[in-house]
Amino acid sequence: GENVEQHPSTLSVQEGDSAVIKCTYSDSASNYFPWYKQELGKRPQLIIDIRSNVGEKKDQRIAVTLNKTAKHFSLHITETQPEDSAVYFCAASNQGSQGNLIFGKGTKLSVKP
Amino acid sequence: DARVTQTPRHKVTEMGQEVTMRCQPILGHNTVFWYRQTMMQGLELLAYFRNRAPLDDSGMPKDRFSAEMPDATLATLKIQPSEPRDSAVYFCASGPLPGVVEQFFGPGTRLTVL
Repeated sequence: GENVEQHPSTLSVQEGDSAVIKCTYSDSASNYFPWYKQELGKRPQLIIDIRSNVGEKKDQRIAVTLNKTAKHFSLHITETQPEDSAVYFCAASNQGSQGNLIFGKGTKLSVKP
Repeated sequence: DARVTQTPRHKVTEMGQEVTMRCQPILGHNTVFWYRQTMMQGLELLAYFRNRAPLDDSGMPKDRFSAEMPDATLATLKIQPSEPRDSAVYFCASGPLPGVVEQFFGPGTRLTVL
């Protein structure tokens, strides 16, 4: 089955700097890669996703890149702000199968003012 | 603003007691997932349903956990008997359509087993 590895487990940056979180997946059939943000004590919420027919997707300060050959994808946050502090989870899924997501273990991002 | 709801939000119980957690998916969503979140293991998929039928519960300890979806508006996760190692946050999530895998999470049930 699918296995998703996520790095780093913790990341601390200064406000205004960029943050990059990387994930690798094992199943070449996976074709959907969402990123979820979970603030302390809250539910995970989808912030951006990418499908395998696209190499990059951007939404304001957040971007995701996908390298299908290497089976890895990354989340990029530019001009970080204190409210970006949260745990970020990557996930992978084969939409042609049952559609369940396999999550990485999460990255705790701290943005220092 | 349609949201997944879960009850109870917090539950403290003693080892050996039965625990039932409930989830109301977003109206019209036909896929429901149960996850367990701990510091050590992250988000683990326990079970999921499509059109109320269980599709996969291989992530769930079968001897004590059971998941059901008695109707389209209610999913339940039951632990009997509960153990301290079951202490975690349990999330329910729902998704709209087959093959569309965006999931919407509920607020979670924080379970503490003493």
